[in-house]
Amino acid sequence: GQNIDQPTEMTATEGAIVQINCTYQTSGFNGLFWYQQHAGEAPTFLSYNVLDGLEEKGRFTSFLSRSKGYSYLLLKELQMKDSASYLCAVLDSNYQLIWGAGTKLIIKP
Amino acid sequence: DVKVTQSSRYLVKRTGEKVFLECVQDMDHENMFWYRQDPGLGLRLIYFSYDVKMKEKGDIPEGYSVSREKKERFSLILESASTNQTSMYLCASSIRPERHNEQFFGPGTRLTVL
Repeated sequence: GQNIDQPTEMTATEGAIVQINCTYQTSGFNGLFWYQQHAGEAPTFLSYNVLDGLEEKGRFTSFLSRSKGYSYLLLKELQMKDSASYLCAVLDSNYQLIWGAGTKLIIKP
Repeated sequence: DVKVTQSSRYLVKRTGEKVFLECVQDMDHENMFWYRQDPGLGLRLIYFSYDVKMKEKGDIPEGYSVSREKKERFSLILESASTNQTSMYLCASSIRPERHNEQFFGPGTRLTVL
């Protein structure tokens, strides 16, 4: 079956750096997405990786290793507004998005 | 900006009622999706559509049906609501091809079935 694993919850301190990992086993691979979802709100797109390596967008960096079935989202200079759930999703061989359960990130002052 | 709207943010229905959830997008997207989101589970795809009058079953279509009569509107129908359909329902849209293109989500409808 298809499976995406990410930690359920993480805690970090304002101003620090946090890395959220995602491992996947899917039937085929056509890219990996990271979305941010604040409580009670809709998910919003953060990043897309299809080739191995890094994609940087401001304070957020996403990494992909296709051979390891592994990605991470790195958040730098954490702010209180970064408190949210972070969803990892893989586009499989049928171009269907397979979603992880999400990682709830708690930022403490 | 892409805008995806859903007809209700909160909805309370009784077991056995027929429920309609409406979704409208204003960016001429070909693809539209209905998901449900439950605590501890990832987004689960109920149905999707690649074109007008076209629909495909997702992972959990049982107990649901959909309608896409116009490109901008995608409706989710619960023919006879049950308590296990209490959930957050999210509509999304995207352009084709799917590669590289993120999905844009509506604000969600939190449905409670009593």
